[in-house]
Amino acid sequence: NAGVTQTPKFQVLKTGQSMTLQCAQDMNHNSMYWYRQDPGMGLRLIYYSASEGTTDKGEVPNGYNVSRLNKREFSLRLESAAPSQTSVYFCAIHPRGDENTEAFFGQGTRLTVV
Amino acid sequence: GDSVTQMEGPVTLSEEAFLTINCTYTATGYPSLFWYVQYPGEGLQLLLKATKADDKGSNKGFEATYRKETTSFHLEKGSVQVSDSAVYFCALRGRRGSYIPTFGRGTSLIVHP
Repeated sequence: NAGVTQTPKFQVLKTGQSMTLQCAQDMNHNSMYWYRQDPGMGLRLIYYSASEGTTDKGEVPNGYNVSRLNKREFSLRLESAAPSQTSVYFCAIHPRGDENTEAFFGQGTRLTVV
Repeated sequence: GDSVTQMEGPVTLSEEAFLTINCTYTATGYPSLFWYVQYPGEGLQLLLKATKADDKGSNKGFEATYRKETTSFHLEKGSVQVSDSAVYFCALRGRRGSYIPTFGRGTSLIVHP
């Protein structure tokens, strides 16, 4: 049982290049999230998807797009990467319907934009 | 809205020292409270949780008690090890309104031999 799987683990992009970060879960949960983690800033929510076919903006959505391809997969796309998007990106599941349940995170994608 | 405030780090300790990382929260109603740990190069994972007032969560020698009267959920460990070096996040999930969790900014712990 892999839980939440992110690919790639590391990536270096040049300014202006595009890329897609992939996230897949095998836990059969509806809600999926994308966060970025920066030093001193903690976790900031980029986008989330409450269920298949729906997506919503989080705290810092500018410069990103998302696709909820099916129940298992939720991808994050950078159309034109900027150095300010250098960060560690995490995909997570927060099961709905039970506030006592914890979140499950992927291992992260470490992105550097030069 | 909901918020979580953690003490800023880094917290630097010698092995076998006592650890406290403070966490206070603001939320409507009575949320569930969590501590997550992030080891270097990894994602966050649950360390412990408490779902109602006066509950104590515990795991791997860490403890935290849900204090409604002080809206706090401080993390403690009696004797830290080098392997405890990590970043610790306090978080809550509310029972009203948005179901999206709220995280603190994280506290880095460095334990020296």
